[in-house]
Formats: sequence, structure tokens, C-alpha cells
Amino acid sequence: EPEVTQTPSHQVTQMGQEVILRCVPISNHLYFYWYRQILGQKVEFLVSFYNNEISEKSEIFDDQFSVERPDGSNFTLKIRSTKLEDSAMYFCASSEGEGYGYTFGSGTRLTVV
Amino acid sequence: GNSVTQMEGPVTLSEEAFLTINCTYTATGYPSLFWYVQYPGEGLQLLLKATKADDKGSNKGFEATYRKETTSFHLEKGSVQVSDSAVYFCALISLQGGSEKLVFGKGTKLTVNP
Repeated sequence: EPEVTQTPSHQVTQMGQEVILRCVPISNHLYFYWYRQILGQKVEFLVSFYNNEISEKSEIFDDQFSVERPDGSNFTLKIRSTKLEDSAMYFCASSEGEGYGYTFGSGTRLTVV
Repeated sequence: GNSVTQMEGPVTLSEEAFLTINCTYTATGYPSLFWYVQYPGEGLQLLLKATKADDKGSNKGFEATYRKETTSFHLEKGSVQVSDSAVYFCALISLQGGSEKLVFGKGTKLTVNP
């Protein structure tokens, strides 16, 4: 069964450093998403991406965050200057169309120290 | 705005017990409804879905029926197993502001004891 692949599975970074989280969505999917889950809390929407541009973003997704689809297969989330409160599990997801369920990756656990 | 409310956990059951996890929603239009499951240390997996009123989603012995009149999508299983121990998330998709996004409830942690 097709799956969404995320790397790395776990990343530890120092506060203020830049991190790039990588995702390979399912190849025929057109919609891409990032969500995050702070430990033990709700799964929160960050951003959606379609047709090579952001279609929606949440209040969390401020100027420190950016997304890119650099080569037609990867989908990346960059956090420019990490803060302690950015520590969370970050999930990438893709979908083949509106109203369809999302397929999620296994997540990247980001720990900011 | 769109939102999902799930029963508070944690829920602890013995093996072979009956499971119900309540979920109600608020949404504009006609949302699609989902249950996702997160096993310990893993990502989110789609468990089942329903896209219109009175549809029943089912998978792995779990069922949920889309009830428009009560805006509910309760998850049920007749006989749980230890391997069902996980966090269960109710979620919906509804067009909002011209784009869609999946909105999750807070999750309900289920522990099944032998």
C-alpha cells in the first residue's frame, strides 16, 4: 500500500537553529499538509499546499515557518529559528482530492533544547 | 468554525468488552467524517470514514454511523482486544474559506487489559 515517508524520525536541535523536516507524499496525490502534535495534546493543522502554493495556513504557521516542494516529489517544512515550544511531533499528510481522507506519515519528533 | 468534540479519556476496558467512543461535530455544509488511530509510538492511521448522512464506516471490527440529525459519529466495537489499545481521533473535513482541512478532536486514549 502506498505510504507517506517522513525523515528523520527524530531530530534534536538547539534553540535558534534552523531545521528542515522532509516528506515524500504519495506520488499521485495533489494536496499536501503539515500538522503537529505537542506531546499528549491535540493534532493541530499548520498548513495546506496545492498547485505549488500555500492554500491555507493556521495562526501557528508564522514567519518562522515555510514549506516547499523543491523537486516534484519532496515536500519540506522549514523552521527558521526554532524555539523550545516548537518541540512536537510533526506529521506530513497527502490526499488525492477534496473530501478524501488524508494519508499520514509516521511523523518526525522534533526536540528543541 | 468547524470543530469536533470527543468524550474525555482515558478509557480502560477488559478484553472482549464493548467499546463506545462518542464524537459530535459542528460544521458548515456537509462534512466527511473520519476516525484515525494512533498506536503507541506510531503515526496516524485512517481507521474508517463516512462521507454522507447515514453512511456506516467499518474496519477491523470498528463501526461508526454518520448521524446528521444528532451531528454524531460515535465509534463502536463489539469486543475489544489488547491490540486495540491506542489513541482514537475523530475528525472531519469541510470546505471552509474555499479550502479544506482535516480538523481533529482531542483524542481518546483506550487501554485494553487482558
